[in-house]
Amino acid sequence: RKEVEQDPGPFNVPEGATVAFNCTYSNSASQSFFWYRQDCRKEPKLLMSVYSSGNEDGRFTAQLNRASQYISLLIRDSKLSDSATYLCVVNVYQDDYKLSFGAGTTVTVRA
Amino acid sequence: EPEVTQTPSHQVTQMGQEVILRCVPISNHLYFYWYRQILGQKVEFLVSFYNNEISEKSEIFDDQFSVERPDGSNFTLKIRSTKLEDSAMYFCASRGLAGSRQETQYFGPGTRLLVL
Repeated sequence: RKEVEQDPGPFNVPEGATVAFNCTYSNSASQSFFWYRQDCRKEPKLLMSVYSSGNEDGRFTAQLNRASQYISLLIRDSKLSDSATYLCVVNVYQDDYKLSFGAGTTVTVRA
Repeated sequence: EPEVTQTPSHQVTQMGQEVILRCVPISNHLYFYWYRQILGQKVEFLVSFYNNEISEKSEIFDDQFSVERPDGSNFTLKIRSTKLEDSAMYFCASRGLAGSRQETQYFGPGTRLLVL
């Protein structure tokens, strides 16, 4: 079983739409959770950390369900600049903070 | 804003040759990492480095790979005898200020390695 699994998409949405997608992780000892964004042929960049209570950063909302080992990201009022691959990332403290990446969910926002 | 830098941005090499990929982590960070991403695949952990030694490595990081922090600023990844399957984007990352449990890893722009 993959450590981190994501719906690969692609999600093709019009500007202004809401898009949401999920991720599951297999290691119940995972302690930290993140969404990174990766543009084509670029490095991953941290979008937001994900906290147990759920958290919001502008148009982005992340949720964590530890019981189901499930993470979600919701993007409201999509912009063209939101087009990217979104990487679900987890780490396990005892693994020295090495990050385990999902394969990514591709989002394309069209005008 | 401080950032991780990597050189070269692109490297083309012949199979069997040695390559050294260079990284300058963010100043005062203490934990350093190499990841790789084969085209079209996910980002994979290679190795973590702390206090001048490897703290963890993946199955990918075999005897052909080594890391070094030769001075106070550079962090290098050496592949001794490259194989075709080493072709990938290699990302360096760093984290953690002294005395903190800061978790965020900051990634460099990557070195795209092509082995012919």
